Amino acid sequence: NAGVTQTPKFRVLKTGQSMTLLCAQDMNHEYMYWYRQDPGMGLRLIHYSVGEGTTAKGEVPDGYNVSRLKKQNFLLGLESAAPSQTSVYFCASMRTGEDEQYFGPGTRLTVT
Amino acid sequence: GNSVTQMEGPVTLSEEAFLTINCTYTATGYPSLFWYVQYPGEGLQLLLKATKADDKGSNKGFEATYRKETTSFHLEKGSVQVSDSAVYFCALSELGSNYKLTFGKGTLLTVNP
Repeated sequence: NAGVTQTPKFRVLKTGQSMTLLCAQDMNHEYMYWYRQDPGMGLRLIHYSVGEGTTAKGEVPDGYNVSRLKKQNFLLGLESAAPSQTSVYFCASMRTGEDEQYFGPGTRLTVT
Repeated sequence: GNSVTQMEGPVTLSEEAFLTINCTYTATGYPSLFWYVQYPGEGLQLLLKATKADDKGSNKGFEATYRKETTSFHLEKGSVQVSDSAVYFCALSELGSNYKLTFGKGTLLTVNP
């Protein structure tokens, strides 16, 4: 039981490049979330999903897209990376009927 | 909307000192309250939680009590250890918001031997 895993762990992009971050969970959780963590800002919600095939915007969705084609995977895409998207990205999942989110180890992204 | 305000850091203590990290919240409904901990280089782990007024969450010697009248959820530990050095986040979630977490900005705790 790996819990929540994130790929890749680190990435450096140039402005304008695109990439996809993968989050995978093996706990059969319905809910999945993407957060970004910036110094002095805590964590802020980017997008979330309440089940396979569904997505919704969070607090800071601009510049990101997401997909949840399979229940166990939640992808976060950056179509045209900007330096303001330099951050640490965390994925989390949660079981229906509970309120505890389980977090992945994070992806550190730098956009130059 | 919802918001969480927690004590600004960093906090530096000596081993065996008493720890308090203040946390207050604003919520439209009746939230669940959480403390998450992030050790260096790792993701967040749930430390403790409380789901209704006057509930006390506890884990690893840490405690926090859900105070509805003061909208607070302060984290305390009677005797900190070097291994408690980490960033601590206060957070809330609500059923009506699909359990989205609203976080405070985090408090860095450093415990010196």
